[in-house]
Amino acid sequence: GAGVSQSPSNKVTEKGKDVELRCDPISGHTALYWYRQSLGQGLEFLIYFQGNSAPDKSGLPSDRFSAERTGGSVSTLTIQRTQQEDSAVYLCASSIIDRAYEQYFGPGTRLTVT
Amino acid sequence: QQQVKQSPQSLIVQKGGISIINCAYENTAFDYFPWYQQFPGKGPALLIAIRPDVSEKKEGRFTISFNKSAKQFSLHIMDSQPGDSATYFCAASKTGNNRKLIWGLGTSLAVNP
Repeated sequence: GAGVSQSPSNKVTEKGKDVELRCDPISGHTALYWYRQSLGQGLEFLIYFQGNSAPDKSGLPSDRFSAERTGGSVSTLTIQRTQQEDSAVYLCASSIIDRAYEQYFGPGTRLTVT
Repeated sequence: QQQVKQSPQSLIVQKGGISIINCAYENTAFDYFPWYQQFPGKGPALLIAIRPDVSEKKEGRFTISFNKSAKQFSLHIMDSQPGDSATYFCAASKTGNNRKLIWGLGTSLAVNP
């Protein structure tokens, strides 16, 4: 079966532009997570979705970051007015709601802000 | 504060040797401890996991040892191979409405041929 997919795989944008990153989770996975990973660093939790609602947005770095999920499936992470410090790999993961410890990750979107 | 502390940050092992990565946690409510493996350019993938009612779990060359009283758990990779070279993350989770994983900072393992 299909795994988690993310698009685009790479995105280069100019400082100040808005970007949208997309995540398609595994079908039937009601939990969805966004993480950020800087070069050689660990995983920084951004936001968690349970269905279409986001009970935990505690990791979003600033109000320039937002995310939504529609139809209990596809999620979009939007970064407004991008800054150079936003450059990182953005990872999406999904899981069955009762098995949050077993997360399936997509390949990530590498964002470069010039 | 870092709820799951992982060490070492990096590790170099010779082929055939044993790789050992350690993690410690504070919150006794954690009830599941997975390890994830990440190859360059890929997302992390679940490798092996353990519950606190078990002291050891083995899957092939990979073993988790768990010490509940010390609040520590470790990953042992026996007969390490160059293909094991990757970043390894420990994590912890607890049952609840927000079942997110709490991650260690990762260990970069290099296995020399």
